[in-house]
Amino acid sequence: ELKVEQNPLFLSMQEGKNYTIYCNYSTTSDRLYWYRQDPGKSLESLFVLLSNGAVKQEGRLMASLDTKARLSTLHITAAVHDLSATYFCAVGTEGNQFYFGTGTSLTVIP
Amino acid sequence: EPEVTQTPSHQVTQMGQEVILRCVPISNHLYFYWYRQILGQKVEFLVSFYNNEISEKSEIFDDQFSVERPDGSNFTLKIRSTKLEDSAMYFCASSLRRDTEAFFGQGTRLTVV
Repeated sequence: ELKVEQNPLFLSMQEGKNYTIYCNYSTTSDRLYWYRQDPGKSLESLFVLLSNGAVKQEGRLMASLDTKARLSTLHITAAVHDLSATYFCAVGTEGNQFYFGTGTSLTVIP
Repeated sequence: EPEVTQTPSHQVTQMGQEVILRCVPISNHLYFYWYRQILGQKVEFLVSFYNNEISEKSEIFDDQFSVERPDGSNFTLKIRSTKLEDSAMYFCASSLRRDTEAFFGQGTRLTVV
């Protein structure tokens, strides 16, 4: 089974600071996704990364993919309170199975 | 904006009973998925469905589970004989292509008592 590890599991950061969430996975994959989940809510798609070296940015969030290292990062720039949520990475297999990471619970404090 | 809709939002059932969770994916999407999330835990893949058949399923998706697309718009998940450990939030998702983002429904909270 493909294993997906995220770290950190919990992240408390001050407004205005930068931080990176890491997502490591154990076997080759051609697709990596990042999702956001607010408490008690559904999952919202943030990014889809399909190739080695792919970088996507939306607002204060930037995601990248290194398929050789089997690593994706989600970088947060100048955090604001609205970014408080749980962030999941998910890896897709050739056969169209998906494996989610454990999630990173982000709290942005003033 | 198109969205994935799920019904009911909450279902309580007795152990051993059958439940059917319903989903209406986004109309032009071709790939459909069911996931579950036990409270406070990670999201677990159950099954993917394409071209009217299951394309992949996880170890969780045993003989007690089945999926169907009965009428070209609905996508259902049936659990034949529910167990206490089936209690979870069940999410349906759909995507246009295999490599595009999946849109998730709001979920059905299943409670087995």
